Order: sequence, then structure tokens, then C-alpha cells
Amino acid sequence: GAVVSQHPSWVICKSGTSVKIECRSLDFQATTMFWYRQFPKQSLMLMATSNEGSKATYEQGVEKDKFLINHASLTLSTLTVTSAHPEDSSFYICRPGMVNTEAFFGQGTRLTVV
Amino acid sequence: QKEVEQDPGPLSVPEGAIVSLNCTYSNSAFQYFMWYRQYSRKGPELLMYTYSSGNKEDGRFTAQVDKSSKYISLFIRDSQPSDSATYLCAMSPSGGSYIPTFGRGTSLIVHP
Repeated sequence: GAVVSQHPSWVICKSGTSVKIECRSLDFQATTMFWYRQFPKQSLMLMATSNEGSKATYEQGVEKDKFLINHASLTLSTLTVTSAHPEDSSFYICRPGMVNTEAFFGQGTRLTVV
Repeated sequence: QKEVEQDPGPLSVPEGAIVSLNCTYSNSAFQYFMWYRQYSRKGPELLMYTYSSGNKEDGRFTAQVDKSSKYISLFIRDSQPSDSATYLCAMSPSGGSYIPTFGRGTSLIVHP
């Protein structure tokens, strides 16, 4: 199956700082990347969809100026949480858009803002 | 009513038991049905997917879809402690864009 590498797996940052999360597709080209957030014991919530070479599409209620998404190449998409606050502490997961019915996720990034 | 309903559990069973995990849904347009396993602090991994109604078996896992009842199931036979995880169902309409709708996941604990 497709290999998706997400880094870092865990990060602690101070309130007010920014954190960048990377998602790389290792053996295929991902024109689309989905970014999810997951709170404890909750389902995956789609935050935004990034498309290579164009602006990301954000879901309702997601602040695009806070969650900056860049998809500059077919193998790399990044999510930057700017001016992080404790309420941004969550599990962030990427998933490349696939043309078949299967879907593969990144390993996830646990963000803790203190 | 949410599009996909899934009991969060936890569901606790002894080793060797048959486990039944279920989801119900309201959108009759859903055609693709998936089950993911998610270990703590890890990304979900795809276990099985099925298209439309019917059964699909893979080793100890069987996925079942009943579109008439809008009900899907995942059965795990001879459950093992290593099966302890959260199981998420997901589904999407046929064709077009592929953004699945996820259930909230059921926490499964298999104790020795």
C-alpha cells in the first residue's frame, strides 16, 4: 500500500509559538492531501483539503489564518499551527487523496501546547 | 442525527471471544464502507473495505454490510489482546470526490 510519512509524531510547544507538521508521500504523488484533527475519544474531523499548487480548502469553523497549509510539491504537504494555544492541543493526521477506495493515513502528530 | 453513529464503548471481552462492532448510517448514498484500526497515539490503518452490500472476509476479520438496514458490522474471531484498539468505521458515496465520513470509533479491550 501507499506509504505516508508524517513528522513529528509528538511535539510540545509553548503557547504563542508555531508548529509545523509535515506529511510526505514516499512512493506516489499526492495531488491532494486531507488534514484531520482528532480529540480524545472523538472521531476524525476534517480540517482542510490541500491541493498541490493551489490554495487549500478549509472546512467550516476552521481558521485558515491559524492553520496554514502548504502543498508546494506532489510529495510534501505541511500544516503549520500558528500562535498555538492549549486548546489547539490535539492529534493531527494527514491522508493523501486516493483514486481508489482505499485510504492510508499518516502516523499522526500529537501536539501539546503548554 | 449524525450521518454515522458508532458506540464509543469501551467494549471489553476475554481473549478468544468473537467481537462484533457496528455502525449505523443515515445517508443512503454511501456505497463504500471501510473499517480502520487505530492504536493509541497512532494514525488509523485500513483493515477492510467493501463496496455495496455483502460480506468480506480476511483472516479473522469479517466485514458485513446491510444497506437495507443502513447497518455495517465488523466481526473479529478468536480475539487477541493485540486486537485491543479503537475501531473506526468510515463510508463514502460512490464516484466523485472521496472524502469519507467517519464514526467516532469503538474502543475494544481484549483481556487475557
